This record gives sequence, C-alpha cells and structure tokens, in this order.
Amino acid sequence: EPEVTQTPSHQVTQMGQEVILRCVPISNHLYFYWYRQILGQKVEFLVSFYNNEISEKSEIFDDQFSVERPDGSNFTLKIRSTKLEDSAMYFCASKERNYGYTFGSGTRLTVV
Amino acid sequence: GENVEQHPSTLSVQEGDSAVIKCTYSDSASNYFPWYKQELGKRPQLIIDIRSNVGEKKDQRIAVTLNKTAKHFSLHITETQPEDSAVYFCAASVDFNKFYFGSGTKLNVKP
Repeated sequence: EPEVTQTPSHQVTQMGQEVILRCVPISNHLYFYWYRQILGQKVEFLVSFYNNEISEKSEIFDDQFSVERPDGSNFTLKIRSTKLEDSAMYFCASKERNYGYTFGSGTRLTVV
Repeated sequence: GENVEQHPSTLSVQEGDSAVIKCTYSDSASNYFPWYKQELGKRPQLIIDIRSNVGEKKDQRIAVTLNKTAKHFSLHITETQPEDSAVYFCAASVDFNKFYFGSGTKLNVKP
C-alpha cells in the first residue's frame, strides 16, 4: 500500500533555529497538507497546497512558516525561527481529489 | 468556521462489549466525515468514513452513522478487542478540503 513518508522522525532544535520538515507524498496525489498535534491535543490544520501554491492556511501558519514543493516529489515545511510552543508532532498528508487523507508517520519536533 | 465536538474524552469497556463515540459539527456544509484511529506515537489511520448522502456505513465490527439534521455522527465498535485500544478522532470537512478534528476519545478495552 502506498505511504506518505516523513523525515526526520524526530528533530530536536534550539529555540530560534530554522527547521525543515520533509515529506514525500503518494505519487499520484494532488493535494498536500501539513497538520500538527501538540502532545495530548487534537490534530490541527496548518496549511493546504495544490497546484504549486498554498490554497488555505490557518492562523497558526504565520510568517514564520513556509511550504515548498521544490522538485515535484518532496513537500517541505520550514519554520524560520522556532519557538518553544512549536514543539509538536507534525503530520504531512496527501490525497486525491475526492478521498480522505493518507497521513505520514509524523515528525516529532522538540524545541529546547 | 467549523467546530467539531467529540465525546467522551475517555471510554473504558470490557472486551466483547460495544463502544460508541459521538461527534457533533456546526457547519451544515460539511459533507465528509472520516474517523481516524491513532495508536500511541503513530500516525492517525483512517478506519471508516461517511459522506453526507449516506446515513450509515458498516465495515465488519465498525459502523458510522450520520444524522445531518441534528449535525451529529457516531462511531460504533462492536465486540471490542484489546487491540481496539487507541485514541479515536472524528473529523468533518467540506468537499474533502481541510479537516476539522474532534478532540479525540481514548478508548481502553479491558481484557
């Protein structure tokens, strides 16, 4: 069964540092998403991406966040200057047009 | 925007019993309702979903019901097994766009 893969599985970074979280969506999927889940809380929408541009973003997704699909296969989330409250599990997801998501295995980001 | 409420937050059942988790949503335009199971430290995995043109859907021991008028939908697990223990999330979306998740239900199935 096709999978969404994410790397790294765990990233520890110092406050103020930049991090890039990487995702390889399922190859024939057209829609890409980043969600995050703070420990013990619900999964929250960050951003959706379609046709090489952001289609929607939440209020969490401020100027410190950006997404990119640099080479047609990878889909990255960059946080420019990490804060303690960015510590969370970040899930990438992809889907075809009228189907549910397939989530990646997640990247646990710990900001110290 | 959409608001999804989920109850209960924790549910403990004896192996073999049924478990029911309920969600309500606020946006009448929502038309797709997936349920995800998340085991500790792992990704959410889709276990069943329902579209708004259907009132009930079953897949072996799992069923989902949808009441569009009341704007609520429920997950039913029959003959629960210890491996059903996990956190279950409901979600709602309009036209399969961004998902609004409920706060999760931690299901504990006691052997």
